[in-house]
Order: sequence, then structure tokens, then C-alpha cells
Amino acid sequence: AQSVTQPDIHITVSEGASLELRCNYSYGATPYLFWYVQSPGQGLQLLLKYFSGDTLVQGIKGFEAEFKRSQSSFNLRKPSVHWSDAAEYFCAVGGFSGGYNKLIFGAGTRLAVHP
Amino acid sequence: NAGVMQNPRHLVRRRGQEARLRCSPMKGHSHVYWYRQLPEEGLKFMVYLQKENIIDESGMPKERFSAEFPKEGPSILRIQQVVRGDSAAYFCASSAGEEYQETQYFGPGTRLLVL
Repeated sequence: AQSVTQPDIHITVSEGASLELRCNYSYGATPYLFWYVQSPGQGLQLLLKYFSGDTLVQGIKGFEAEFKRSQSSFNLRKPSVHWSDAAEYFCAVGGFSGGYNKLIFGAGTRLAVHP
Repeated sequence: NAGVMQNPRHLVRRRGQEARLRCSPMKGHSHVYWYRQLPEEGLKFMVYLQKENIIDESGMPKERFSAEFPKEGPSILRIQQVVRGDSAAYFCASSAGEEYQETQYFGPGTRLLVL
């Protein structure tokens, strides 16, 4: 069965430091991968997505993610974190439901940013 | 261009009452997904609907839960005889098409509290 694992429940970084959020998926075929961000009390906003092609994907707000098939990973990175990046981040996988995009989400990583 | 709208944003019900959650997709979108987020967990797929059709309700509890997306008007998620375990945030997402590449745009969610 398809699944998504985000090993880090909470991460704290200093403003200006680099960030990497981990995501591992389980799916036999080529997955469709997504990163969403959720600010407190808000809905989810799409940061970036991967379907095929270049394995390094650029997203909004300076985020990027790299798809590594050999490691079944799709880690999210940002070179310099801003205080406004404090939020919860969800990795999701789709592309397995026979033509429509039912998503399976990880449990999320909550990011805190110290000034 | 208004995004996905959900109302109410917060809903309090006593055990045994009914909860009705409404979702208005983005203009031009005819595909709606409902997800539930339990405290400290990621989003879990509940149901996928197109106008007047339920396509996939594999994530819906077998009893008390129903969903519809009529030809006119918003999509409705209905929970009958609510129990404390139904307390969660319920998100809907809409997309312009059903293909895997189509982005799902999420609403702000309805936070249901069952007393």
C-alpha cells in the first residue's frame, strides 16, 4: 500500500539557517509527489510538485525539493529560512488511484524558527 | 478570483447532533475532494466527487457520513449523530480536472468540535 513517512515531527532552526525536511514514500510505480505548507488555522498551500523530468524541482517562497528514486525520498530544502516560514509542512503522494488524484499525506513536520 | 471557500470555519455540536459542512470550489472547478485531519495527524482522504457523482468514497466511515456535490450549489459533507471522535478539521480541495497533474487547491477548513 502507498504511504508517506515524515520522520521529523518537530524541527527548530535559526533564522537564516538552511533547512531540509525529510519525506520518504512507499509506492511501486513512479509517484506524483507534493509538498504543502499549512499555517496555523489555515488551509494547505502547494509549495511544489514533481511528476517527471528534472529531479530537482523549484517551488514558491524559495523552496526546492529533490526526487531520489533510489532512496524513495523527496526532501524539501531552503537555503535560508525566514521567520515567516514557521508552519507545518506536509509531503503527499498521488498518482495511484486510477485516473484521479487522491492524495496520501505524511503526518507533517512542524517548523519553528528562532530569531 | 476567489479560492475554495468553506463554511462554517468553526462548528460546535453536541453528541448526537448533525453536522453539515459546506465547500464551494474555485470557479470553474468541478472536482472536489474531502480530507479529514485529526489532531496531530496528517490529512486523510475521505471522498472524491464530481458534479452529481460520488467517484470514490473509500475513505468515508461506513455509517453516519455522507457527501454530495449537486449540479448547483456547494458540496456538502454531512455527519449524522456526531460522536467525540468526529472532532477534527475537515478540508475540501478542488481541481479543474481529475488528472494526476492537476493541482488541488485547499480551502481553509472547518474545525468541528463535538462536546
